[in-house]
Amino acid sequence: AQSVSQHNHHVILSEAASLELGCNYSYGGTVNLFWYVQYPGQHLQLLLKYFSGDPLVKGIKGFEAEFIKSKFSFNLRKPSVQWSDTAEYFCAVNGAGNTPLVFGKGTRLSVIA
Amino acid sequence: EAQVTQNPRYLITVTGKKLTVTCSQNMNHEYMSWYRQDPGLGLRQIYYSMNVEVTDKGDVPEGYKVSRKEKRNFPLILESPSPNQTSLYFCASSFYAGVTGELFFGEGSRLTVL
Repeated sequence: AQSVSQHNHHVILSEAASLELGCNYSYGGTVNLFWYVQYPGQHLQLLLKYFSGDPLVKGIKGFEAEFIKSKFSFNLRKPSVQWSDTAEYFCAVNGAGNTPLVFGKGTRLSVIA
Repeated sequence: EAQVTQNPRYLITVTGKKLTVTCSQNMNHEYMSWYRQDPGLGLRQIYYSMNVEVTDKGDVPEGYKVSRKEKRNFPLILESPSPNQTSLYFCASSFYAGVTGELFFGEGSRLTVL
């Protein structure tokens, strides 16, 4: 069965610091990879996704993620975080074909001024 | 406006009193799913539906029922709610049955079972 691991439960950063959130998955075949964001009190929204092609994916609000197949990883990065990036971030994966999305447990990011 | 609508948004009920959380999407999506979100456990899938009249269990289906009689609606039914079903529930939909597209989420329904 597929699984997704997000190793950081809670990350606290100062504004302008760089961000990297880890995501590792276990699945043997072709995968689709996603990062979703949940701002306080809101529903989940898609941040970025990878299906194929360039392993470096750029999303909204300056976020990017790199798919490293050999490491089964899809880490999320942002060079300089803002207070408004305070949110919970979820990595998700599904295999090719009719397989439901599997979410990680999420990483809470707190950005302090 | 494209959206997934859940009702009610907030509900406090008592053990054993049957309740239904409705979910409706206006994007003609084939795929719909229910998740529950609990602190430290992330999002766990309850049930999903690839299309009308097709439903499957997710990771935590016990205590829940669903139906998909129409493409746009996917209600979540708690026949006899218990306190361990106190949670934040999200409905989501996607155009492709294989979930290769973006999942659109509803605003969430916060349920408390006393």
